[in-house]
Amino acid sequence: AQRVTQPEKLLSVFKGAPVELKCNYSYSGSPELFWYVQYSRQRLQLLLRHISRESIKGFTADLNKGETSFHLKKPFAQEEDSAMYYCALRFQGAQKLVFGQGTRLTINP
Amino acid sequence: NAGVMQNPRHLVRRRGQEARLRCSPMKGHSHVYWYRQLPEEGLKFMVYLQKENIIDESGMPKERFSAEFPKEGPSILRIQQVVRGDSAAYFCASSSTELTEQFFGPGTRLTVL
Repeated sequence: AQRVTQPEKLLSVFKGAPVELKCNYSYSGSPELFWYVQYSRQRLQLLLRHISRESIKGFTADLNKGETSFHLKKPFAQEEDSAMYYCALRFQGAQKLVFGQGTRLTINP
Repeated sequence: NAGVMQNPRHLVRRRGQEARLRCSPMKGHSHVYWYRQLPEEGLKFMVYLQKENIIDESGMPKERFSAEFPKEGPSILRIQQVVRGDSAAYFCASSSTELTEQFFGPGTRLTVL
């Protein structure tokens, strides 16, 4: 079955430090991977998707098919990055998203 | 464009009652998805609908749960004879086509007493 794993429920880093939120998936085909973010008191919103290969708010994520990973990275964390982050997968031929459990990122001043 | 709207935002029901959750997709969107988030878990897919059709209900519990998206009006997720285990946040998302970005609503938090 398709599965998305985010091993860290909580991650805390200092402002200006690098950030990496881990995401691993299990799927034998060609997946489409996403990162969603939910800021405090706001709705879930798309941060980035692997097919666009763009950087949003300084975040990047590279799909590594060999390691079945899609880690989210940012070189210098900012306080406004504090939020809940969800990795999600959409497998071929489907419309539904499969979500990981989420990682709560806290940026300390 | 007000985005995806869900109401009510909070719903309290006693065991055995019915819960009706409403979702109005973004303007121009005809694809609706329902997800459920239990405490301390990620969002789990329940059902995918297009106007007047259920396309994928592989995540719906076999009993007590139903969904519809009529030609006119919002999509409805209906839970009959609620139990404490139904307490969760229910999110609706919509998209313009089947493979474009899903935009999420604010969610309905259901509490079953």
